[in-house]
Amino acid sequence: KNQVEQSPQSLIILEGKNCTLQCNYTVSPFSNLRWYKQDTGRGPVSLTIMTFSENTKSNGRYTATLDADTKQSSLHITASQLSDSASYICVVSDRGSTLGRLYFGRGTQLTVWP
Amino acid sequence: EADIYQTPRYLVIGTGKKITLECSQTMGHDKMYWYQQDPGMELHLIHYSYGVNSTEKGDLSSESTVSRIRTEHFPLTLESARPSHTSQYLCASSRLAEETQYFGPGTRLLVL
Repeated sequence: KNQVEQSPQSLIILEGKNCTLQCNYTVSPFSNLRWYKQDTGRGPVSLTIMTFSENTKSNGRYTATLDADTKQSSLHITASQLSDSASYICVVSDRGSTLGRLYFGRGTQLTVWP
Repeated sequence: EADIYQTPRYLVIGTGKKITLECSQTMGHDKMYWYQQDPGMELHLIHYSYGVNSTEKGDLSSESTVSRIRTEHFPLTLESARPSHTSQYLCASSRLAEETQYFGPGTRLLVL
């Protein structure tokens, strides 16, 4: 069972609308959580990173939240644009591994329609 | 935009052929990684390296091999391609003391 679960699997919204993507994880111990954006045919690009003590982090129209107690994170996109169409991947890093092992979710495929 | 490059971007090849996927980065990063990603699925780590002459297998069993003769170069080789190798292969790099990984654009491989 994947230790990082994302929902919804896919989402279609109209341009200008807001949306929220969810990430639940069971990874333990926990070091940090990242949200990546992956455009079709491209590699993932980091949007935000949050450690255990951080509740929220913003990057432009992207705002990520983290509840380390419930092991949940969300990515909120405000005033969506066509260029937001992409897969959004939640990545959790554990602590104690020299590699800092990363656990990847399967992503939420977001499509923004005009 | 990260300075990490992968070639070829797309490759269609027949079963049994030997192939090498190239990955290079100009950021001076010590750590480099190869991931395999199927459509709608999570990334799986297949190889990683901490520096020159350092290579390790990742979580996902893979029939590929890697080498790290130069810091900036981390090629992946399949000695005999099979249809089960059809996938997208992503290369990434990071600084030694950081975890944020910078990804290349990927190579989409189709083995017939």
